[in-house]
Amino acid sequence: DAGITQSPRHKVTETGTPVTLRCHQTENHRYMYWYRQDPGHGLRLIHYSYGVKDTDKGEVSDGYSVSRSKTEDFLLTLESATSSQTSVYFCAISETGDPSSGNTIYFGEGSWLTVV
Amino acid sequence: GESVGLHLPTLSVQEGDNSIINCAYSNSASDYFIWYKQESGKGPQFIIDIRSNMDKRQGQRVTVLLNKTVKHLSLQIAATQPGDSAVYFCAVRTGSSNTGKLIFGQGTTLQVKP
Repeated sequence: DAGITQSPRHKVTETGTPVTLRCHQTENHRYMYWYRQDPGHGLRLIHYSYGVKDTDKGEVSDGYSVSRSKTEDFLLTLESATSSQTSVYFCAISETGDPSSGNTIYFGEGSWLTVV
Repeated sequence: GESVGLHLPTLSVQEGDNSIINCAYSNSASDYFIWYKQESGKGPQFIIDIRSNMDKRQGQRVTVLLNKTVKHLSLQIAATQPGDSAVYFCAVRTGSSNTGKLIFGQGTTLQVKP
């Protein structure tokens, strides 16, 4: 298994509160990703990072921000959580940005977030 | 943009039979495809991948077939076992080749009957 740890694994929070999810990797991979998974939508990319302090938006980035101050950590922040952000969040890593080169994308075990 | 769809949300097979899970994509420029398996409460697990310059690739008990003409790929699982019960996703690489961004289908749930 790829060395990916997500924390917290489960969290219940109130609407309007800030929430930060952490992804920690031990593989020294350059690329890291945050996806959310919802019924009927599959996995959708929120943000990704291609290096320390280098990040970019995915297809569902509104309401989320990210930071990567170290290679091993990629943080996802919901500045003011809403009920629509109730979801399962997955972190993923890739050694290069080209998974077809033999360095595919590996996922963590997920963080279940409920916003009430 | 790219869209990825699966033909069946649920597939039920008898243990020992072969399973075929299908996926369709929309963008003819898509060049890399991955199949993931996701068990309940866990993250997606890489199964097998294929590049657009190939039509077929085999792994251990799994085969992926790619038909670029009709923009369709399939995952074949030989001698399906109870441990194969899971949700299977296809993912398609879209956009720049150096970002690794993937578009996922919604998943097919494979149920294996003993």
